[in-house]
Amino acid sequence: QKEVEQDPGPLSVPEGAIVSLNCTYSNSAFQYFMWYRQYSRKGPELLMYTYSSGNKEDGRFTAQVDKSSKYISLFIRDSQPSDSATYLCAMIGSGGYQKVTFGTGTKLQVIP
Amino acid sequence: DSGVTQTPKHLITATGQRVTLRCSPRSGDLSVYWYQQSLDQGLQFLIQYYNGEERAKGNILERFSAQQFPDLHSELNLSSLELGDSALYFCASSPAGTSYEQYFGPGTRLTVT
Repeated sequence: QKEVEQDPGPLSVPEGAIVSLNCTYSNSAFQYFMWYRQYSRKGPELLMYTYSSGNKEDGRFTAQVDKSSKYISLFIRDSQPSDSATYLCAMIGSGGYQKVTFGTGTKLQVIP
Repeated sequence: DSGVTQTPKHLITATGQRVTLRCSPRSGDLSVYWYQQSLDQGLQFLIQYYNGEERAKGNILERFSAQQFPDLHSELNLSSLELGDSALYFCASSPAGTSYEQYFGPGTRLTVT
């Protein structure tokens, strides 16, 4: 079993829809939870990071962490065709020098 | 633009050869990370350097090595290349103590023929 599980999609939604992207994980030591957006063959772009449980909002993006369920989500409101990309969740524990564990990514297509 | 630069953008070489990939971190970032991304493996962590010293190691092959220089740029050396080493190689950097805040470069696409 992988430490981080992410549905690869693809996920196709109409423009303007609310998108929900999710990851589950097994390592209870993870404390920081990140979301990256990657356009085809480009470098991943950090969208936002969250510490521990709770919600964080940045514009049209909201990240949600439920540590009790080991489940994280990224919501995109009013989705745009420019949001079409692969979304990677990532996680890391706190303290010391630890490696980030990435999900395999969910491919999102927003149809005009 | 993340501020992280990588050269070259593309590299085509033959099996058995050796190549060097170069990365310059964002201004002020002390940590550099190297990742390999292939179609079937996702983003795999290779190695991390902090201010010139190795700090964490992932699934890096013995044929691969890296270093971070006093000016903080980093190089990833890949030797005895195999077809399976064909992938995108990304470098990322982060401010001191914030591995959760990594900024990725545009990557180097390596093709081994």
